Amino acid sequence: ETGVTQSPTHLIKTRGQQVTLRCSSQSGHNTVSWYQQALGQGPQFIFQYYREEENGRGNFPPRFSGLQFPNYSSELNVNALELDDSALYLCASSPRLSTPDTQYFGPGTRLTVL
Amino acid sequence: AQSVTQLDSHVSVSEGTPVLLRCNYSSSYSPSLFWYVQHPNKGLQLLLKYTSAATLVKGINGFEAEFKKSETSFHLTKPSAHMSDAAEYFCVVTGEDSSYKLIFGSGTRLLVRP
Repeated sequence: ETGVTQSPTHLIKTRGQQVTLRCSSQSGHNTVSWYQQALGQGPQFIFQYYREEENGRGNFPPRFSGLQFPNYSSELNVNALELDDSALYLCASSPRLSTPDTQYFGPGTRLTVL
Repeated sequence: AQSVTQLDSHVSVSEGTPVLLRCNYSSSYSPSLFWYVQHPNKGLQLLLKYTSAATLVKGINGFEAEFKKSETSFHLTKPSAHMSDAAEYFCVVTGEDSSYKLIFGSGTRLLVRP
């Protein structure tokens, strides 16, 4: 039981809209990472937050942004949605920084952009 | 830059027969390597990890993998497949710039025939 939850499960948006995805980390975890998994591909690292600060970023444009709250829950925001943003978005929490083997993944949010 | 190549997009085996999922990596330093499994509508689950200790790594559910530096390989094996093993499997390497960034392969879908 990972304890990482994500909402919503599914979401449909139209091109140009904005979307917010939410992640609730496992209790005691202060680090959260977000990944984008396009259909038929492996997840790609978007960014990581540690104690409410962005701690690293992958090759994604600035319209992908995030927040981490004092209770260590997290949001992924995507502005000006494009068709290629359609994907499964995964968050993963871990109890401490720089310990990749203890990243616990949520079930994901499936975003469809029409 | 780090990268991972999973040599087979699909592998089909009969229940009770051995499983071999192949993975090659490219890294300019000694990375940490992982195998994750993804069942439909469930989060990614860590199967096993290699972090520069023993080269033969045992994981959950009877899976194991061998790190071969000379061949830059980290193949996943299991002596006897179960129907419940049917899922998507990802070989993962840590990023060069930071250990927290996970770089995923494109995945291998394992089909288990009765």
